[in-house]
Amino acid sequence: GENVEQHPSTLSVQEGDSAVIKCTYSDSASNYFPWYKQELGKRPQLIIDIRSNVGEKKDQRIAVTLNKTAKHFSLHITETQPEDSAVYFCAASMGSNYQLIWGAGTKLIIKP
Amino acid sequence: DAGVIQSPRHEVTEMGQEVTLRCKPISGHNSLFWYRQTMMRGLELLIYFNNNVPIDDSGMPEDRFSAKMPNASFSTLKIQPSEPRDSAVYFCASSTGDATNEKLFFGSGTQLSVL
Repeated sequence: GENVEQHPSTLSVQEGDSAVIKCTYSDSASNYFPWYKQELGKRPQLIIDIRSNVGEKKDQRIAVTLNKTAKHFSLHITETQPEDSAVYFCAASMGSNYQLIWGAGTKLIIKP
Repeated sequence: DAGVIQSPRHEVTEMGQEVTLRCKPISGHNSLFWYRQTMMRGLELLIYFNNNVPIDDSGMPEDRFSAKMPNASFSTLKIQPSEPRDSAVYFCASSTGDATNEKLFFGSGTQLSVL
């Protein structure tokens, strides 16, 4: 079936270090891969997205890489800061309507 | 623009009561989505509309749930009768374009508690 697996479920890193969150998807026809950040008690907000015709995209300290052959994509955050602490969700568009299928989320903890 | 506006922010009700959640999408956005978020099941798409027409309601849990979009600036999600297992945060989101592979703008959500 259509699914997105996200790992790890919790990630704790020292402030200033890098964080990497990985997702795999089941549908080889998927063409859109967004990442959302949700702070505690707040709404999810898009932080970066990538489409299937691109292998990598960067925005300041955030980057996303896509490996279509292996059907996985990753979020990379460099020089982590306390405000990066949140739950991060990946998603992939799948199915006849290219619905977004969501990963289960990764709780990122930045240790001072 | 004020963004996607949802009301109420919090709703506490008793089992069996009718609950109506409201959403005003961003002006000019063609698509509107209703999501439910729980710890156990994560983010679930309930239904999405494009140009006020329901396109996919396969995520609606059962007949107790219904959604309408009478015009481009308003949508409702109704639960009747409500049950304790409906307790969750319900998000409305909107986006431009006709496809689902566009940036979603989420509202602040409605925290629903069914006692």
